[in-house]
Amino acid sequence: AQSVTQLGSHVSVSEGALVLLRCNYSSSVPPYLFWYVQYPNQGLQLLLKYTSAATLVKGINGFEAEFKKSETSFHLTKPSAHMSDAAEYFCAVSSHGGSSASKIIFGSGTRLSIRP
Amino acid sequence: SQTIHQWPATLVQPVGSPLSLECTVEGTSNPNLYWYRQAAGRGLQLLFYSVGIGQISSEVPQNLSASRPQDRQFILSSKKLLLSDSGFYLCAWRNRDRGEQYFGPGTRLTVT
Repeated sequence: AQSVTQLGSHVSVSEGALVLLRCNYSSSVPPYLFWYVQYPNQGLQLLLKYTSAATLVKGINGFEAEFKKSETSFHLTKPSAHMSDAAEYFCAVSSHGGSSASKIIFGSGTRLSIRP
Repeated sequence: SQTIHQWPATLVQPVGSPLSLECTVEGTSNPNLYWYRQAAGRGLQLLFYSVGIGQISSEVPQNLSASRPQDRQFILSSKKLLLSDSGFYLCAWRNRDRGEQYFGPGTRLTVT
């Protein structure tokens, strides 16, 4: 079975500061890992994904995440926070996407607030 | 390119009334389709998923049902809404050759 844990339901950083959102996963098979962002009253948007290629994955809006197998982590970072980064962020894990019955398991989400 | 539509965008319904939410996907064929619900301030709850026409898997037993009458159409229904059905409903599709899911814009349902 697969699972994902997001540490911290709410993170607050100052504008221009480093953003670090933590995600740990559990998977018995090599995982696919994802980060999604959700702005208020909108659907989820894919930020980035890891699919067993490079362990450092770059996404949209200046975000990146590093896959660390030894730590079973996939933390999301951004060097300098902007006010527009305020949103809900979801980490997710799945097994190989080719399975017709495969599902993506989502974490409980982390709300990112940016202080002026 | 692929797009996913949901309607209506917002809906206010009285307790006991029926519900029908529709989701359609364009630009892909034979996708996996999903219905999620978000209660206020909560995470995503997977309600139903479908791997093909007429094939529905239920994750949470409740007074909701889903149907897939066409390859790229997914419908969420209820015969009698409860107050607890209020929430933000999201449809998503997934290409079986790739890992990620793509989400629609959502429907805000308020049951009064």
